[in-house]
Amino acid sequence: DAGVTQSPTHLIKTRGQQVTLRCSPKSGHDTVSWYQQALGQGPQFIFQYYEEEERQRGNFPDRFSGHQFPNYSSELNVNALLLGDSALYLCASSSGGEAEETQYFGPGTRLLVL
Amino acid sequence: SQQGEEDPQALSIQEGENATMNCSYKTSINNLQWYRQNSGRGLVHLILIRSNEREKHSGRLRVTLDTSKKSSSLLITASRAADTASYFCATDLFYGNNRLAFGKGNQVVVIP
Repeated sequence: DAGVTQSPTHLIKTRGQQVTLRCSPKSGHDTVSWYQQALGQGPQFIFQYYEEEERQRGNFPDRFSGHQFPNYSSELNVNALLLGDSALYLCASSSGGEAEETQYFGPGTRLLVL
Repeated sequence: SQQGEEDPQALSIQEGENATMNCSYKTSINNLQWYRQNSGRGLVHLILIRSNEREKHSGRLRVTLDTSKKSSSLLITASRAADTASYFCATDLFYGNNRLAFGKGNQVVVIP
């Protein structure tokens, strides 16, 4: 049973470019959350997708957007990249949307913006 | 902003010793969770304690929760080199929902 997978593992972009990160949830999970983790910090919640809709959103600008597909996989898009967007981007999956469920994290995508 | 704040930030211990780290939070919570992260990779869920629980055990892990003080502690007994990692506490960002607010983390180094 595959856990949460993310692609790519590493990515290098330059300022102003756009990036798309991908996440496949754990089998049986229908909810995907995205987190940004800067070096030496804890992860910060970006947004969560359930039933192909964005639910509550963290304190991130509109440059950060996402999508969830019918198979529950998800994409995170970041436009007009800034140096400060360099971070580890983590995807977590769970089931039940609002329910209290353990979140399972993927290995992350490390983004470097030059 | 970060909800949880762990203390101490870094801990270095000998193998076989116990490691204790604390976490404080600011608002009412539904539950508090602890995660482990090895070398900047994905997070592994360790344990969840609900707001109506005071103590919970899982293997060599013991978690306590004091809602009156808005604090939690994680104890790892008989530490092993493989326990070397960063440990984060996380609370639900929106009460009753499953969106997590993480602290800055504790880096634990277990010396063989």
